[in-house]
Amino acid sequence: SQTIHQWPATLVQPVGSPLSLECTVEGTSNPNLYWYRQAAGRGLQLLFYSVGIGQISSEVPQNLSASRPQDRQFILSSKKLLLSDSGFYLCAFTGQGYEQYFGPGTRLTVT
Amino acid sequence: DQQVKQNSPSLSVQEGRISILNCDYTNSMFDYFLWYKKYPAEGPTFLISISSIKDKNEDGRFTVFLNKSAKHLSLHIVPSQPGDSAVYFCAPRYNFNKFYFGSGTKLNVKP
Repeated sequence: SQTIHQWPATLVQPVGSPLSLECTVEGTSNPNLYWYRQAAGRGLQLLFYSVGIGQISSEVPQNLSASRPQDRQFILSSKKLLLSDSGFYLCAFTGQGYEQYFGPGTRLTVT
Repeated sequence: DQQVKQNSPSLSVQEGRISILNCDYTNSMFDYFLWYKKYPAEGPTFLISISSIKDKNEDGRFTVFLNKSAKHLSLHIVPSQPGDSAVYFCAPRYNFNKFYFGSGTKLNVKP
């Protein structure tokens, strides 16, 4: 069966510190991978998506970046976090169908 | 994203009654429309979808209606149950890879 893992579940980081969130998918090959952010009281904002290894599309210019070093691994990074980067980060994938499957999310608080 | 709007941030209904959640969009190129259900601190889970070539899709207590001329879709839940209480997002798909989420409607089903 298809599963998606995302960690850590919660993270508290000071302003200016780096960030690395990891997402891995099992049970499917060549999935489309996505990073979303949900700010408090808001909807889901698409940050990045990837249709293959090394192929990253950025939807919102900001101090975040994404990488896909392996077929089923998607990483969200930042060199220096801002207060506005706080939020709930979600990784998702689509496999053979069109439905997206989401990970459990990471609650990031930048202090 | 402003291409997708859910104008009702919250909805309260009595158990057993019908819940109607609405979604408006602007992009006529969306080809699939998905509804997701989300509990706090969890990732969204897929609920039901409809292709742009159809006007209705039904799955148990859940029915989605699509009015392409009005660029409007709605999710009907009949009968509503307390376990349906959650935030519901509509998420149209564009260009096979990108999904745009509305801001969500928080449904509260009262026992």
